[in-house]
Amino acid sequence: GAGVSQTPSNKVTEKGKYVELRCDPISGHTALYWYRQSLGQGPEFLIYFQGTGAADDSGLPNDRFFAVRPEGSVSTLKIQRTERGDSAVYLCASSLDRGPSTFGSGTRLTVV
Amino acid sequence: GQQLNQSPQSMFIQEGEDVSMNCTSSSIFNTWLWYKQDPGEGPVLLIALYKAGELTSNGRLTAQFGITRKDSFLNISASIPSDVGIYFCAGPAGNTGKLIFGQGTTLQVKP
Repeated sequence: GAGVSQTPSNKVTEKGKYVELRCDPISGHTALYWYRQSLGQGPEFLIYFQGTGAADDSGLPNDRFFAVRPEGSVSTLKIQRTERGDSAVYLCASSLDRGPSTFGSGTRLTVV
Repeated sequence: GQQLNQSPQSMFIQEGEDVSMNCTSSSIFNTWLWYKQDPGEGPVLLIALYKAGELTSNGRLTAQFGITRKDSFLNISASIPSDVGIYFCAGPAGNTGKLIFGQGTTLQVKP
C-alpha cells in the first residue's frame, strides 16, 4: 500500500484480556518496527523484524508481549493478560533495509 | 543507555515568528532525524541528516547536524498555524535502524 496501515485505530479492552494489533507495512519494505508511545513521551522501541525473523526484541517489556511476521509482510503484536499500564499508542513503522522509517497512525489501546 | 534531550519542552509563538529547537545527546549519533507528529497520527519524517556539520532545508524548515555529532537543531521560519504539533528528534540505536526518540517539543502557534 501507499503507507503503513494499522488496525484497529482504537481498541478498548478489559484488564486480563488478550489483544492483537495488526500492521500492514509499505509494500517491499523488509524492515518493520513496533514502538509504544505513552502520553507526553516519544515513541519507545519494542521489536524489529528483518523479513520474517525478529532481529531485535530487546524493547519488549515482558513475556506478555509477543509479535510475529510470518510471511515477511504483515505483522501482529500480541499482548496477553493486558494490564492498565499497557494503555498507550502502539506505532508500527517500516523501512527499506535500515533507512528512515515511515510510521503508521498507530493503535490507541485502552485497558479498563 | 543512549538518551536524547529536547528543548524547549513547549513553545507558544505568534504566527509569522521564527522558531528554534534543539536536541542533545551524551553519546555520538551518525544520523539525526526530525519528525513531526499531529494529534492522532504517527510521526512524519521532516528532515534526515547524515553528516556532521550538514545543514539541510525542507521548505521553511532547516536542520543542522552538530559538528560534535552530539546535537542537532531544527529551525522553522515564518511559522504558520499548521506548524502546530509535536516535533521529535531521533537517532538510530546500533545498526538495526531502530530509533531512539527525544521527549518532544510541543509547538503552538497563535494566529
